[in-house]
Amino acid sequence: DTGVSQNPRHKITKRGQNVTFRCDPISEHNRLYWYRQTLGQGPEFLTYFQNEAQLEKSRLLSDRFSAERPKGSFSTLEIQRTEQGDSAMYLCASRSGQQETQYFGPGTRLLVL
Amino acid sequence: AQSVTQLGSHVSVSEGALVLLRCNYSSSVPPYLFWYVQYPNQGLQLLLKYTSAATLVKGINGFEAEFKKSETSFHLTKPSAHMSDAAEYFCAVSLYNFNKFYFGSGTKLNVKP
Repeated sequence: DTGVSQNPRHKITKRGQNVTFRCDPISEHNRLYWYRQTLGQGPEFLTYFQNEAQLEKSRLLSDRFSAERPKGSFSTLEIQRTEQGDSAMYLCASRSGQQETQYFGPGTRLLVL
Repeated sequence: AQSVTQLGSHVSVSEGALVLLRCNYSSSVPPYLFWYVQYPNQGLQLLLKYTSAATLVKGINGFEAEFKKSETSFHLTKPSAHMSDAAEYFCAVSLYNFNKFYFGSGTKLNVKP
């Protein structure tokens, strides 16, 4: 039973560059979530998908952020024109419709220089 | 609106001592409550959850929590701390559909030998 996986685990980029993160949920989970966690804070909800449909986006998700889940399986989160304030841990979680629990991946830590 | 307050960003206990991590919630509807643990550079792992069944909930690694509606609390306890319990602990509240979790800012537990 594999858990949620995220790639890359770490990313260092220069301000202004674009970055893309990938999340592979637990295989039978149709719901997928993205959170952002900054230093000393708890995770903050960004967006979620049910199958391939993106059903909710937080106001934290500016126009520079876009997320996709094209076939209802893996998801990507892209940040365009990165800013230093984007430096954070980006967490992905998934769950099935019959469960209450969201299962989290190890996260992608982004550092924008 | 839903929110979580975790009192004490850092808690230090001796090995073998009682662990008490505090969580108070605010919710406009009946809440569903979760405790997660995060080890350094890792994702979040579920410890336990309250989803309107028994108010005293037992979780993994000897942890338990009691839902007290009158106090709007869901404090996490463990009778005897182990060195391996040193980590950061997050309390979260969810709506009935479990699609958006609101996390507290976390409590770092330090266990002294």
